Amino acid sequence: DVKVTQSSRYLVKRTGEKVFLECVQDMDHENMFWYRQDPGLGLRLIYFSYDVKMKEKGDIPEGYSVSREKKERFSLILESASTNQTSMYLCASMPQTGVYNEQFFGPGTRLTVL
Amino acid sequence: SQKIEQNSEALNIQEGKTATLTCNYTNYSPAYLQWYRQDPGRGPVFLLLIRENEKEKRKERLKVTFDTTLKQSLFHITASQPADSATYLCALSPLSGGYNKLIFGAGTRLAVHP
Repeated sequence: DVKVTQSSRYLVKRTGEKVFLECVQDMDHENMFWYRQDPGLGLRLIYFSYDVKMKEKGDIPEGYSVSREKKERFSLILESASTNQTSMYLCASMPQTGVYNEQFFGPGTRLTVL
Repeated sequence: SQKIEQNSEALNIQEGKTATLTCNYTNYSPAYLQWYRQDPGRGPVFLLLIRENEKEKRKERLKVTFDTTLKQSLFHITASQPADSATYLCALSPLSGGYNKLIFGAGTRLAVHP
């Protein structure tokens, strides 16, 4: 059974803290994504990576950075957390085979910044 | 501006009826469109994919249509069951996105009542 796991289901941090969200997939997928999901706004792409050490900005990269040192692991970093980064964070992976591919999502991390 | 819109109001239907959810998009040229199911506190799960040159796709009780003239996709669940209650997200892959990027709608919550 394919799996995307995220390091925490719930996280509470203080303003200004550096926050690491980890995502691991066991499907050998080339592509990995970080989204945030807010009520009424849907999923918005923060960053994605199509290969190890490669990254591209999504629609809302400000305040975030990412790291992909190994194929199976994609980390999202909040350099200095702010209250407007309180959200549900979802990681996804997708194979590169063919053209039409689905994304596989992790369970999400609900981050609260106080 | 580019938009992908789903009905933000919840859809309430009786068990056994057909649920129809709508996804409209503006100023995109999609290569394909996908539908996902999301349960509370969980990541989305892929259901169906339909390509821009396909009119209809079926999978068990699910049916998706895609009208590129109307810029609309309809998602149908026939013989609905209370277990079908969830939020359903549509997502399109723009031709300019290299087939990896997905743009998500905010989702429509479906409630099926016994």
